Amino acid sequence: DVKVTQSSRYLVKRTGEKVFLECVQDMDHENMFWYRQDPGLGLRLIYFSYDVKMKEKGDIPEGYSVSREKKERFSLILESASTNQTSMYLCASSPSSGRSEQYFGPGTRLTVT
Amino acid sequence: GENVEQHPSTLSVQEGDSAVIKCTYSDSASNYFPWYKQELGKRPQLIIDIRSNVGEKKDQRIAVTLNKTAKHFSLHITETQPEDSAVYFCAALWDGGYQKVTFGTGTKLQVIP
Repeated sequence: DVKVTQSSRYLVKRTGEKVFLECVQDMDHENMFWYRQDPGLGLRLIYFSYDVKMKEKGDIPEGYSVSREKKERFSLILESASTNQTSMYLCASSPSSGRSEQYFGPGTRLTVT
Repeated sequence: GENVEQHPSTLSVQEGDSAVIKCTYSDSASNYFPWYKQELGKRPQLIIDIRSNVGEKKDQRIAVTLNKTAKHFSLHITETQPEDSAVYFCAALWDGGYQKVTFGTGTKLQVIP
């Protein structure tokens, strides 16, 4: 069974803080993704990575950066958290070949005050 | 880039009735169309998918249809049950590349017992 885990379920940070969200998958998937989920806006792609040290911007990358030093780990970084980054953050992974199913983590509810 | 529109945003049906959720996509290169179900407080999970070389696919009470010419696809749930209550997301991608998925904005389905 594919397992995708995220470092925190709930996180409260102050405006201006640097925030790290971590995601780990155990299925040797090449692709990893970070989404934010907001009511009425669905799942919006922030960044994705198709290989170690490789990254691509998604649809809403502003204010975020990512790091993928190891295949199983994909980190999302908020350099200077702002209140409009309060959201649910979901990580996902998928294989490069075969069925293109995305496996999601449980999500991190981030509140920036 | 790809743009996916999903309707309706909310849908209430009586238990036993059918539910239909519709999506349109913009990029004719997209060739894989998954549907994800997200129960309250849980992570999205794939429930059914269809590739562009197929017009319809069924799995028990759920079915998906695809019209490539019109660039739209639909999810059909028959004999709805309370456990079908969830948010459903359609998505589109070209699975020959980096597996970058574009999601619709979601449909909150409520099945009334």
